[in-house]
Amino acid sequence: DIQMTQSPSSLSAPVGDRVTISCRASQTIRNFLNWYQQKPGKAPKLLIYATSTLHSGVPSRFSGSGSGADFTLIISSLQPEDSATYYCQQSHTTPRTFGQGTKVEVQ
Amino acid sequence: QVLLQESGPGLVKPSETLSLTCTVSGGSLTGYYWSWIRQPPGKGLEWIGHIYYNSEFASYDPSLRSRVSISVDTSKNQFSLRLTSVSAADTAVYYCARVLYGSGSSPFDYWGQGTLVTVSS
Repeated sequence: DIQMTQSPSSLSAPVGDRVTISCRASQTIRNFLNWYQQKPGKAPKLLIYATSTLHSGVPSRFSGSGSGADFTLIISSLQPEDSATYYCQQSHTTPRTFGQGTKVEVQ
Repeated sequence: QVLLQESGPGLVKPSETLSLTCTVSGGSLTGYYWSWIRQPPGKGLEWIGHIYYNSEFASYDPSLRSRVSISVDTSKNQFSLRLTSVSAADTAVYYCARVLYGSGSSPFDYWGQGTLVTVSS
């Protein structure tokens, strides 16, 4: 199985800050990397797929980059509604696997 | 707007079988893969498996393969999960989701709201 490791596990930042979340795969997954946002008690929502393609309706302050085994989710200007847990997920190989999540708190 | 809704018992006894159904509205099963994902309380997301709309090309997590099956009923626009011999470790919120296959990375683009299944006697 491909292991996905996110860092940090949690972070706290003020409104307006630029936030970066990293995701590393245990082997190369080309660009088969997706990002999800999950708020408490809710289903995850797709933010970004194929490393950098913004899903429909997702604000442009979210962006993704990377290739091979190292990927990044950036929130360019953190907003109160961005308080959530973020997961990366690889779709290069089955079984599909997720990172352990990064909890983002907005100060 | 595609909507997915999970249904099934919220409580299952140990060693028994967990059965859930996902009803899809606002869209067809045709042309897509359909998946089940679960989340134990306070933990991360775990992929269970997926199946193509025509019931071919099913794939399951190796740790569950001996106990799990996913099936499709296109006449009802539903797909289902069956997990046998459950234990407390199977207690989780279970999500159904659509796979946007062919988009470049096959993400899960639509999700059900999730249903909590507790395994307890």
